[in-house]
Amino acid sequence: GEQVEQRPPHLSVREGDSAVITCTYTDPNSYYFFWYKQEPGASLQLLMKVFSSTEINEGQGFTVLLNKKDKRLSLNLTAAHPGDSAAYFCANDLPGTGSNRLTFGKGTKFSLIP
Amino acid sequence: DPKIIQKPKYLVAVTGSEKILICEQYLGHNAMYWYRQSAKKPLEFMFSYSYQKLMDNQTASSRFQPQSSKKNHLDLQITALKPDDSATYFCASSQDRVGSDYTFGSGTRLLVI
Repeated sequence: GEQVEQRPPHLSVREGDSAVITCTYTDPNSYYFFWYKQEPGASLQLLMKVFSSTEINEGQGFTVLLNKKDKRLSLNLTAAHPGDSAAYFCANDLPGTGSNRLTFGKGTKFSLIP
Repeated sequence: DPKIIQKPKYLVAVTGSEKILICEQYLGHNAMYWYRQSAKKPLEFMFSYSYQKLMDNQTASSRFQPQSSKKNHLDLQITALKPDDSATYFCASSQDRVGSDYTFGSGTRLLVI
């Protein structure tokens, strides 16, 4: 079945620095890709959904890049601030499975160095 | 107001017992899901339902049984509980089409002792 590899598992940067989280996936039929943010003890909050081929999407304080040729999805947190401290998960969605099932990466725990 | 309600928020159970996790959504979605998150494993897909019909099942154990009494309900019954079942169980919903945005509930944290 589909496998989503997420790196790194832990990431710490200083406030104001940037950080990159990367996911690779295996199924070339993957069509939709998601980034979720999960604060401690909370549920998952959708940050962004992307589905085009190579594309850069900009959100508030972050950029998402999808490269379908390399089967790679990345989340770039620009100018990290305390509100960014959380776990981040990538996920993809496969058409034709009969179910809108998401396959998640293992997550990245992101924090600021005091 | 929360759009997906999961009850209870916390649950402690004795090994061998049975529990039901409740999920209701008020988003008008026709697909509902259960995912599990534990310290050992990432978010794992368990079940998906569409119009109260089971669409996909990735849970090997028959001890986990979803129950859908209404279109906007998808409860999860777990029998013969084991300590390894300790996890946070998230319910989610979406429209029943690929790429639809999920809305996740706040989760039920289950501890089996």
